Amino acid sequence: KQEVTQIPAALSVPEGENLVLNCSFTDSAIYNLQWFRQDPGKGLTSLLLIQSSQREQTSGRLNASLDKSSGRSTLYIAASQPGDSATYLCAVRHISGGSYIPTFGRGTSLIVHP
Amino acid sequence: EAGVTQSPTHLIKTRGQQVTLRCSPISGHTSVYWYQQALGLGLQFLLWYDEGEERNRGNFPPRFSGRQFPNYSSELNVNALELEDSALYLCASSLAGGPSTQYFGPGTRLLVL
Repeated sequence: KQEVTQIPAALSVPEGENLVLNCSFTDSAIYNLQWFRQDPGKGLTSLLLIQSSQREQTSGRLNASLDKSSGRSTLYIAASQPGDSATYLCAVRHISGGSYIPTFGRGTSLIVHP
Repeated sequence: EAGVTQSPTHLIKTRGQQVTLRCSPISGHTSVYWYQQALGLGLQFLLWYDEGEERNRGNFPPRFSGRQFPNYSSELNVNALELEDSALYLCASSLAGGPSTQYFGPGTRLLVL
């Protein structure tokens, strides 16, 4: 059974810092990995999607890397801003009976203070 | 283009009651997924519907059920509510099943007293 762990569970940093959020998974036979952002009490917004054949994806100040063999992904946030405050979730999709149902980590709660 | 919509936004029920949550997918999407996000437990997969049929089910008791209508909208029904059913219920839709990207709705917050 796939397990996804995110470290740290919570993070509080001053504005401007560069951040690294970690995601690890136990079964490396994945199809893709996706990073989401969730604002309090809200739905999920997709940030970056990395296919299993890719090593990284970039969008603006965000960069996500994937090391499938070691079962790890990192989300790098450059020059953090208060608007980045949210919970960040990673989700791993693997083939299970053809359903590709994602397994989510519990998230990293990020606070960026001015 | 409208995103995934869910109703109601908030709901308060008492233990033993029944509840129905609704989800409208993005136009053109045929797959709908339901997830439960309880405090401290992370997102847990509940159900997957595609083309009107249940395709997969998570590790939840049978009192969690649902259906998908011909217009691809979906309902999630929970019978005999228990206190631990209190959670944010999220719906997601995708163009098709399998690995297609899922787009999430804002969720329905359910509180069971």
